[in-house]
Amino acid sequence: KNQVEQSPQSLIILEGKNCTLQCNYTVSPFSNLRWYKQDTGRGPVSLTIMTFSENTKSNGRYTATLDADTKQSSLHITASQLSDSASYICVVSGMDSNYQLIWGAGTKLIIKP
Amino acid sequence: EPEVTQTPSHQVTQMGQEVILRCVPISNHLYFYWYRQILGQKVEFLVSFYNNEISEKSEIFDDQFSVERPDGSNFTLKIRSTKLEDSAMYFCASSYPKRLGNTGELFFGEGSRLTVL
Repeated sequence: KNQVEQSPQSLIILEGKNCTLQCNYTVSPFSNLRWYKQDTGRGPVSLTIMTFSENTKSNGRYTATLDADTKQSSLHITASQLSDSASYICVVSGMDSNYQLIWGAGTKLIIKP
Repeated sequence: EPEVTQTPSHQVTQMGQEVILRCVPISNHLYFYWYRQILGQKVEFLVSFYNNEISEKSEIFDDQFSVERPDGSNFTLKIRSTKLEDSAMYFCASSYPKRLGNTGELFFGEGSRLTVL
């Protein structure tokens, strides 16, 4: 069954610190993996989209990695800011089922001053 | 910057009433979607729409739900007879030009919160 699992469920860190969020998936055959940021009560916003051939992709202070062999991805946030407080959702698209997106439950990140 | 807009931002309705949620996708986008998110839960796919017809729908999207693109700009989700369990945030999204499998980026609206009493 196609699944996306994220860890940790929630994370609290101090402003200025770095953190890494994990995503494991069983979606096969794989098409692409996305990370979204979702502020409370708002729509998801795309951070990165990675295909099979991409190992690392950066978007400002966000860096995503992908290991398609082990079916793992991570999202690293550098020098966290209060505005980084949000849920970070990993989403994987498989090549079957018309490339439907399989959504993770998200990691709720809280940045404390 | 172009964005997906949704109305209303919040709607409260009585069980059994009909609800229409409206979305204006980004103007040159070709694929349109509705998702829902029950409070504290995962985002769930409802339906995708292309070329004036449904291309995919989930098990959630039963006969109580329908979608329509009545003109060149609006994309609506109708729930015919709302149930308590329909209470959720409903997100509209659009993409261009390729389908999701070709790394087409999905742009989401800010959502419509539906509360069924």
